[in-house]
Amino acid sequence: EVVMTQSPATLSVSPGERVTLSCRASQSVSSNLAWYQQKPGQAPRLLIYGASTRATGIPARFSGSGSGTEFTLTISSLQSEDFAVYYCQQYNNWPKTFGQGTKVEIK
Amino acid sequence: EVQLVESGGGLVQPGGSLRLSCAASGFTFSSYAMSWVRQAPGKGLEWVSAISSSGDRTDYADSAKGRFTISRDNSKNSLYLQVNSLRAEDTALYYCAKQTFSSGWYPDYWGQGTLVTVSS
Repeated sequence: EVVMTQSPATLSVSPGERVTLSCRASQSVSSNLAWYQQKPGQAPRLLIYGASTRATGIPARFSGSGSGTEFTLTISSLQSEDFAVYYCQQYNNWPKTFGQGTKVEIK
Repeated sequence: EVQLVESGGGLVQPGGSLRLSCAASGFTFSSYAMSWVRQAPGKGLEWVSAISSSGDRTDYADSAKGRFTISRDNSKNSLYLQVNSLRAEDTALYYCAKQTFSSGWYPDYWGQGTLVTVSS
């Protein structure tokens, strides 16, 4: 099973700041990586697929990069609605594992 | 608009069974693979099972093998998960997710989930 490790577990930031979240795979997953945002009481929402392609309707302040084992989600200027938990997920191998999540909270 | 509505969850005793359902609308259901993903209270996401668009291929997480069965009825635009021999650790919110393909299959839309609670 491919283990996905996200860091940090929690990030305290102020609105307007630039945020960088990391995700590492225990073996190469090529570019078959997605990022999801989950707010309390809501289902996950797809942000990024193919490591760097924004999903439909996702603002340009969200960007993804990386391939192989190292991936990054960047939020260029954090908005109030962006405070949430972010998960990475590899879909290169079965089972399609998720990271444990990074919580972005208000500083 | 894609809509996925899960149902069938509830409180069940250890060793019991449930059949979870997911009603899909807003897309051509028979053209897409589907999956179930669960989330234990306060925890992260765990992939449970997936099924191909025609239903001829299924995959399961190790935690689900031998106890859970995924199926679909394309004539009814519905996805199912039969969960048997339930354990306390199966307590979770079970999400139905539509999958899409870009070099691999991944969920692009999720339902709001149905809660399964396993307790005596």
